[in-house]
Amino acid sequence: AQSVTQPDIHITVSEGASLELRCNYSYGATPYLFWYVQSPGQGLQLLLKYFSGDTLVQGIKGFEAEFKRSQSSFNLRKPSVHWSDAAEYFCAVGPSGTYKYIFGTGTRLKVLA
Amino acid sequence: GAVVSQHPSRVICKSGTSVKIECRSLDFQATTMFWYRQFPKQSLMLMATSNEGSKATYEQGVEKDKFLINHASLTLSTLTVTSAHPEDSSFYICSAIATGLNEKLFFGSGTQLSVL
Repeated sequence: AQSVTQPDIHITVSEGASLELRCNYSYGATPYLFWYVQSPGQGLQLLLKYFSGDTLVQGIKGFEAEFKRSQSSFNLRKPSVHWSDAAEYFCAVGPSGTYKYIFGTGTRLKVLA
Repeated sequence: GAVVSQHPSRVICKSGTSVKIECRSLDFQATTMFWYRQFPKQSLMLMATSNEGSKATYEQGVEKDKFLINHASLTLSTLTVTSAHPEDSSFYICSAIATGLNEKLFFGSGTQLSVL
């Protein structure tokens, strides 16, 4: 079955610390992978996406993610977190050519001043 | 980026009444929009695909007579929850495909529906 797992429901980090949000997927074919961020009262915003090629992808707001096929993972990282990064983060996987994404349950990030 | 406006952001209604949620693409035309449902601490579940000028395509297990979708124009799709019951209480989100823009899929800010 196709699925996306985000093992961490909540993560708390101090401002300036590094961040890694985990995402594991189960998908039959080569997936398209996405990370979205949702701030309170706002829609989901695309941070980055992986379709093919270089397995380390750069996104907006200083985020990056690495696709590891052998581990079926697509973890999101940021070297130095800012207070404005506090939000909920969703990993998603989808087939090429459609927008029928499968979303993870999200990870809520709290940033301590 | 393109903007998708969803209205209302929060609605409370009595059991048995119907509620309409609007999803508008403000600065682009969207031939295809999507409706999702999100329960607390769960992922977004795709409910249906809304195509301008044609019938919506519902995902398995979604009652099309309960969740009426109308996509009458290139900038507006509506979701009507008919004869709402407390179990319909949820967070509903729409998204729209912006053809020609790199990001392509844009999300609304969601509607929290509470049925009393």
